[in-house]
Amino acid sequence: GENVEQHPSTLSVQEGDSAVIKCTYSDSASNYFPWYKQELGKRPQLIIDIRSNVGEKKDQRIAVTLNKTAKHFSLHITETQPEDSAVYFCAAKGGYGNNRLAFGKGNQVVVIP
Amino acid sequence: NAGVTQTPKFQVLKTGQSMTLQCAQDMNHNSMYWYRQDPGMGLRLIYYSASEGTTDKGEVPNGYNVSRLNKREFSLRLESAAPSQTSVYFCASTGTTSTDTQYFGPGTRLTVL
Repeated sequence: GENVEQHPSTLSVQEGDSAVIKCTYSDSASNYFPWYKQELGKRPQLIIDIRSNVGEKKDQRIAVTLNKTAKHFSLHITETQPEDSAVYFCAAKGGYGNNRLAFGKGNQVVVIP
Repeated sequence: NAGVTQTPKFQVLKTGQSMTLQCAQDMNHNSMYWYRQDPGMGLRLIYYSASEGTTDKGEVPNGYNVSRLNKREFSLRLESAAPSQTSVYFCASTGTTSTDTQYFGPGTRLTVL
């Protein structure tokens, strides 16, 4: 099955700086790559996603890039703010009718005011 | 729309007791999932139901059973709770296509003494 790895496990950034989280996946048939943000005590919530036919997608301060050849995708957060502090999960969903998401173990992002 | 709802929010059990976690969605989704979340382990899939009338094991099914009662409801049962099942449990649902968003419920925090 699909295996998703996420690095680094913890990331501390100064407010206003950028944060980048990288994920790798194993199944070349995977075609959907969402990113979830989970605040303390809350449910994971989708913040951005990308399909395999797109290389980059941006939504305000958040962007995701996908490199299908290298089988990795990254989340970029620019101009970080204290409310960006959370755990971020990447995930991948395979093709061939597979409707299961494989999640990475999560990254704790801490924005230092 | 309420989205995905779960009951109860919190539960404390003694070792050997049984209980059922309830989940319902009002988005007419075909697929539903049960995850457990433990510190440093990310989201691990317990069971899922690709459509009404079907269920399949995920990564960590031992000690659990599920029932897809109808299209809206998917329950998770612990027959004889163990301390190792202390965790936060999330239900999720998604539509049919491989790129549909997966939505999570608010979670159930379960402690087994």
